[in-house]
Amino acid sequence: DIQMTQSPSSLSASVGDRVTITCRASQGISNYLAWYQQKPGKVPKLLIYAASTLQSGVPSRFSGSGSGTDFTLTISSLQPEDVATYYCQKYNSAPPYTFGQGTKLEIK
Amino acid sequence: QVQLVQSGAEVKKPGASVKVSCKASGYTFTSYGISWVRQAPGQGLEWMGWISAYNGNTNYAQKLQGRVTMTTDTSTSTAYMELRSLRSDDTAVYYCARDSLLVGASPYYYWGQGTLVTVSS
Repeated sequence: DIQMTQSPSSLSASVGDRVTITCRASQGISNYLAWYQQKPGKVPKLLIYAASTLQSGVPSRFSGSGSGTDFTLTISSLQPEDVATYYCQKYNSAPPYTFGQGTKLEIK
Repeated sequence: QVQLVQSGAEVKKPGASVKVSCKASGYTFTSYGISWVRQAPGQGLEWMGWISAYNGNTNYAQKLQGRVTMTTDTSTSTAYMELRSLRSDDTAVYYCARDSLLVGASPYYYWGQGTLVTVSS
């Protein structure tokens, strides 16, 4: 099975900071990588799919990049409402459709 | 608008079974699949499996094989996930999410609101 490893596991940053979260796949997955945001007590929300395509309605301060095994989620200017846990997930390959372990983002 | 509405919270004893429903609306049910994802308290997201709403084909996570069954009722546009021989570590919020007709071919644009299943003696 392909493993998805996120780093860091947790992150504290100040409002306005540029924040980067990485996701590494144990084997190449082309660009079949999605990022989800989950706020405390809420349902996960799709932010980015196909590694870099912003889901409709998601603020443009979010961006994604990468292909193959290494991917990044970037928040260009952190806002208080971005406090959440972020997960990557591979799709469109053989199951299981593993999620990364999550990155908990807090405001410093 | 696409909606996935799940059944309410459940409390079960170890060894029992639970069946969670996920009623879809706002799209043609049989043109998509449904995946199930669970999240134990304070933990991450775990993919459980997928079912095609077109023909009932399924694909389950290996660790749940033999304990989980996913079904659909196309007459009511409802998907079901049954988990048997419940253990305490099955305590989690269970989510349904719309997937494609090909297993895992789509990210999850739409999610149900989640169903808390608590396993406790």
